[in-house]
Amino acid sequence: NAGVTQTPKFQVLKTGQSMTLQCAQDMNHEYMSWYRQDPGMGLRLIHYSVGAGITDQGEVPNGYNVSRSTTEDFPLRLLSAAPSQTSVYFCASSYSGQGITEAFFGQGTRLTVV
Amino acid sequence: GQQVMQIPQYQHVQEGEDFTTYCNSSTTLSNIQWYKQRPGGHPVFLIQLVKSGEVKKQKRLTFQFGEAKKNSSLHITATQTTDVGTYFCAGKNSGGSNYKLTFGKGTLLTVNP
Repeated sequence: NAGVTQTPKFQVLKTGQSMTLQCAQDMNHEYMSWYRQDPGMGLRLIHYSVGAGITDQGEVPNGYNVSRSTTEDFPLRLLSAAPSQTSVYFCASSYSGQGITEAFFGQGTRLTVV
Repeated sequence: GQQVMQIPQYQHVQEGEDFTTYCNSSTTLSNIQWYKQRPGGHPVFLIQLVKSGEVKKQKRLTFQFGEAKKNSSLHITATQTTDVGTYFCAGKNSGGSNYKLTFGKGTLLTVNP
């Protein structure tokens, strides 16, 4: 059982380049989300999805797009990378019913934009 | 929107000392969760609190949820070097989405052996 898998683990981009961060989960979770983590800022929600075909913006969505064509996959696209997007990105998934709804995080993608 | 404040931002202790981090929400929460992130790692779930005034223990860790369901704390008794990391609280808003977690900025705990 792999849990939440993120690729790549590290990436360096030039300003203006685009790329897609991949996220896949094998726990059949409905809820998936993307966070960015910057020093002293905690985890800030970029986009989230409550099921296939449904996405919504979080706290810091500008410069990012998402789609959710399947339950398993939730890719994050950077349209035109900027140095301000240098960060560590975490994908998470969780069960959306009653009871314990812990978020399972991927290993993270460390992105540097130069 | 919902805000979750967490203090202190940093805490350095000698091994064996106690440690507490506090979390306050601007809105009433349906539940609060705590996560630990080791240096270079990803957040890992510790516990979820749901009931007003709830207290839960995990070995040397004690978690509390306030009566008004707007604040929470994590207390570690007799810290060890294995406790090093950043501790985050994360709240779910009782009035809104059942899914969204709002994270505090975390408390970085360092332990001097």
